[in-house]
Amino acid sequence: EVQLVESGGGLVQPGRSLKLSCVASGFTFNNYWMTWIRQAPGKGLEWVASITNTGGSTYYPDSVKGRFTISRDNAKSTLYLQMNSLRSEDTATYYCTRENRQLRLFDYWGQGVMVTVSS
Amino acid sequence: DIQMTQSPASLSASLGETVTIQCQASEDIYSGLAWYQQKPGKSPQLLIYGASSLQDGVPSRFSGSGSGTQYSLKISSMQTEDEGVYFCQQGLKYPPTFGAGTKLELK
Repeated sequence: EVQLVESGGGLVQPGRSLKLSCVASGFTFNNYWMTWIRQAPGKGLEWVASITNTGGSTYYPDSVKGRFTISRDNAKSTLYLQMNSLRSEDTATYYCTRENRQLRLFDYWGQGVMVTVSS
Repeated sequence: DIQMTQSPASLSASLGETVTIQCQASEDIYSGLAWYQQKPGKSPQLLIYGASSLQDGVPSRFSGSGSGTQYSLKISSMQTEDEGVYFCQQGLKYPPTFGAGTKLELK
């Protein structure tokens, strides 16, 4: 059974940093691209970052580029999201997802972790 | 970026009623479309991919259709457990983009 378990969320002040983790199990982690997607309270879904299966390439939207860094440790089957210079608009639930690269969709999602940016 | 427009934003349906949700892309996405269901307090789950292929384990009352820029999700007989928010997502080009969602409630 595929499982994605996020951790590391919480309340943080604007301008500070936070690092999310996602432990994967039930599949061969190093065969898959992985992606973080977020959802602001009561809002829709926004792609945040993707990383290739080897970790050799990463992709971001302009809204987080230069502030967020996605990385992975294939030996630990763990995905990370380092978030710096956090803003109030980064407040959201962050989902770790497994990406189906061929179809460019997200076939498994974690339970999500809440990040609140507020003073 | 490809824009995805969903309609309606919300709807309510009675048990056994047929429900249809629409999704329009700002350009041809060549059936590179997925539908997700998000139940209250839960994470989204993949329902349909390639515009019309049912993900394993999804009930057969769900179906998807469409081509070009116009796509739809149909629930042939509304059930209690179908309440939630439905999102479409295009996978043709990076970045992946989502519709704003359609909230489906039981009448």
